[in-house]
Amino acid sequence: GGIITQTPKFLIGQEGQKLTLKCQQNFNHDTMYWYRQDSGKGLRLIYYSITENDLQKGDLSEGYDASREKKSSFSLTVTSAQKNEMAVFLCASSWTGGRDYAEQFFGPGTRLTVL
Amino acid sequence: GDSVTQTEGQVTVSESKSLIINCTYSTTSIAYPNLFWYVRYPGEGLQLLLKVITAGQKGSSRGFEATYNKETTSFHLQKASVQESDSAVYYCALGDSNYQLIWGSGTKLIIKP
Repeated sequence: GGIITQTPKFLIGQEGQKLTLKCQQNFNHDTMYWYRQDSGKGLRLIYYSITENDLQKGDLSEGYDASREKKSSFSLTVTSAQKNEMAVFLCASSWTGGRDYAEQFFGPGTRLTVL
Repeated sequence: GDSVTQTEGQVTVSESKSLIINCTYSTTSIAYPNLFWYVRYPGEGLQLLLKVITAGQKGSSRGFEATYNKETTSFHLQKASVQESDSAVYYCALGDSNYQLIWGSGTKLIIKP
């Protein structure tokens, strides 16, 4: 089996601050994802990447940057933190999708609080 | 656009009783979306519970079942007899035409002893 690690587990920032969240996976999966989950809501896709150095925008990409430095890691940057961004950020990975929608494996999440 | 609606908030069921969590979907991008149930147990990450990729078929896992009903655009999650270990948050999801998942808001299942 494999594991997805997200750091930090809790992130506290000031409004307007640039903040970076990191994700590592050892499944050797091709595709990695960043989701945001607000309290009591479903997951919304921010960015995904189907291979190293690839980036694809999800529905919620405005206000975020992402970087796929290598196959095993995918980082997300909040470019200017806002109070209404307090949420849990989830990283996931999968074999390359396609019609069969490869199963996504999730990390434990990073909880962001903006003061 | 595509959307998923599931039983809101939380559901409380007595141990050994039956469970149903409703899920309905709406899609404009794809005629026959793949449908999924994911689960998050306390202290663990989200994980796939079951998926069905063919309309009319049933998926099952860990005693849970869900049938893909194209006519009613539903994918309800059912279990005949719940146990305390089923306490978790359950998410219904749809695979859209861009091979991405559209998620419901989650339903927290609480089991009464």
